[in-house]
Amino acid sequence: SYVLTQPPSVSVAPGQTATITCEGNNILSKSVHWYQQKPGQAPVLVIYYNNDRPSGIPERFSGSNSGNPATLTISRVEAGDEADYYCQVWDNSSDHVVFGGGTKLSVL
Amino acid sequence: EVQLVESGGGLVRPGGSLRLSCVVSGFTFNTYAMHWVRQAPGKGLEWVASISSSRNYIYHADSVQGRFTISRDNAENSLYLQMNSLRAEDTGIYYCARDPGSDISGWLDYWGQGTLITVSS
Repeated sequence: SYVLTQPPSVSVAPGQTATITCEGNNILSKSVHWYQQKPGQAPVLVIYYNNDRPSGIPERFSGSNSGNPATLTISRVEAGDEADYYCQVWDNSSDHVVFGGGTKLSVL
Repeated sequence: EVQLVESGGGLVRPGGSLRLSCVVSGFTFNTYAMHWVRQAPGKGLEWVASISSSRNYIYHADSVQGRFTISRDNAENSLYLQMNSLRAEDTGIYYCARDPGSDISGWLDYWGQGTLITVSS
């Protein structure tokens, strides 16, 4: 089965740039989607199809999938960005949704 | 406004059954695929099952295959998850989520707030 690997945690100071990675076999051939989950809340889609942002998501959030790893970048990080972030793909060889293990973003 | 509201959670004994419901509003339900995703306490997201708008495509995670069944009633704007032979490791919050495609695109653009399942004796 397809596996996505994320670092357990990333720390960044306010105003700096946070980069969260997502590794998977031949990930370049897949579309990567990203979700933000704050404590006690449901996940929220922040990036879809590698680098598109849903309406209402700040331009500070961007994604890239130029090869291993795919990345989620948050520019000018704010305290309110502190959350767990999950990458996700559709594995069409197994017809399964696959999530990464999640990365806890801490704003110092 | 898109809304997804799950219900049916609760405490159930190992080996028991439970049926979750997700009632949606704010969009044309019969044109969207849907998913169930769960989250064990303190753990990450785990996909459970997916169903296309017309029920032509139905998929379940290996961990629930043969025990859980996803279904939908387009006339009632409702998604369901029938859970049988429940185990302690099935404990967690269960979210329903919308797929932006009618067939399964494989990503989730709107999520409900979740319903908690606790499997314990």
